[in-house]
Amino acid sequence: GDSVTQMEGPVTLSEEAFLTINCTYTATGYPSLFWYVQYPGEGLQLLLKATKADDKGSNKGFEATYRKETTSFHLEKGSVQVSDSAVYFCASPPYGGSQGNLIFGKGTKLSVKP
Amino acid sequence: KAGVTQTPRYLIKTRGQQVTLSCSPISGHRSVSWYQQTPGQGLQFLFEYFSETQRNKGNFPGRFSGRQFSNSRSEMNVSTLELGDSALYLCASSLGGRGDTQYFGPGTRLTVL
Repeated sequence: GDSVTQMEGPVTLSEEAFLTINCTYTATGYPSLFWYVQYPGEGLQLLLKATKADDKGSNKGFEATYRKETTSFHLEKGSVQVSDSAVYFCASPPYGGSQGNLIFGKGTKLSVKP
Repeated sequence: KAGVTQTPRYLIKTRGQQVTLSCSPISGHRSVSWYQQTPGQGLQFLFEYFSETQRNKGNFPGRFSGRQFSNSRSEMNVSTLELGDSALYLCASSLGGRGDTQYFGPGTRLTVL
């Protein structure tokens, strides 16, 4: 069945380091892909999205490119800040499902040290 | 524009009781989805309502139910609570079309003793 797999953390980086969080999906067709972020004690916030192959989503210095050849949507940021410490989730709707149903990866906890 | 609100934020119940959680979507959004978040299982889809009709359903037992009202507000109910139902319950609203972004509320933290 459809699934989303992302690298599990925790990931600990120093401020200004480069960040990559891997995400791959298995699905029929080319679904929209999303990255959400969850800060401690809060709900999920959309970080960025891509709706078709080769799209690049970007927001707050984060980027992710929808690569259909490798079925991947890796999240990157060139220089992380302490305020980026959070849990990051990759997500996609299942094939044939509406956008109201998202499959999430397990989440990657990022800690950035000053 | 106000975001998605969920009430209550915290709940403590005992096994066997039932509970009702409420979600108010962003104004104009007709789709409301519910998710359960636990450390072991992560985020799992419960169900989605669109224009007062359940449009999608996840793989949860019948003890979990929901409904949506004409103003798009939604409630979910869990009957005969079990210890394993302790979780953060998140609701999300969207316009309801493919490609539309889901906006999440802060969640309701349910603890079952």
